[in-house]
Amino acid sequence: SYDLTQPASVSVSPGQTARITCFGDALPKQYAYWYQQKAGQAPSLFIFKDSERPSGIPERFSGSSSGTTVTLTISGVQAEDEADYYCQSADISGSTLFGGGTKLTVL
Amino acid sequence: DVQLVESGGGLVNPGGSLRLSCAVSGFTFSDYNMDWVRQAPGKGLEWVSSISTQSGRISYADSVQGRFTISRDNAQNSLYLHMDSLRAEDTAVYYCARVVETAEPYYFDYWGQGTLVTVSS
Repeated sequence: SYDLTQPASVSVSPGQTARITCFGDALPKQYAYWYQQKAGQAPSLFIFKDSERPSGIPERFSGSSSGTTVTLTISGVQAEDEADYYCQSADISGSTLFGGGTKLTVL
Repeated sequence: DVQLVESGGGLVNPGGSLRLSCAVSGFTFSDYNMDWVRQAPGKGLEWVSSISTQSGRISYADSVQGRFTISRDNAQNSLYLHMDSLRAEDTAVYYCARVVETAEPYYFDYWGQGTLVTVSS
């Protein structure tokens, strides 16, 4: 079956750059999206169409795509960025698919 | 402001049924496809079901096909998920989410706060 693969966890110190990757064979042909989910809250859209930021999302959040991998980059990480991050795209039948999620820890 | 508010979750016995509701406001409900997404305790997000604006196009994840039924009432600005033959593995927080179809594949720009369904005897 088709999957979106994310690292389970990423840890960075405040002010450093965090990079969260998402791998999927179909990603060269499909957009990917990123959601942030803080503990006890609903997910929130942070990046759409690989690299676009919805209004209100800080500029330190950026997205990029290269082949089968999309990357969420958080520059100058802040304590408030600690959360789970999920990539989303679709499988070969077009059904919505989420990555397993990455827990970002700010040390 | 866009709001999505789920209700109807609770504790149900295995094999039982439950109907979830999602009441929306702040946008023209009939203009948007809507989805349900769930999250088991401590786990990731799992897409459950999708319904188009006039209910003409409906799809389900394999894990719920034949047991769950999605529906909507545009006059009442409400989305529903009727769940039958519930199993322990259906235990999750269920979110309704508004679909954005300006790109391929589609994505979600607004989510409700979720309602917890617990399947246990």
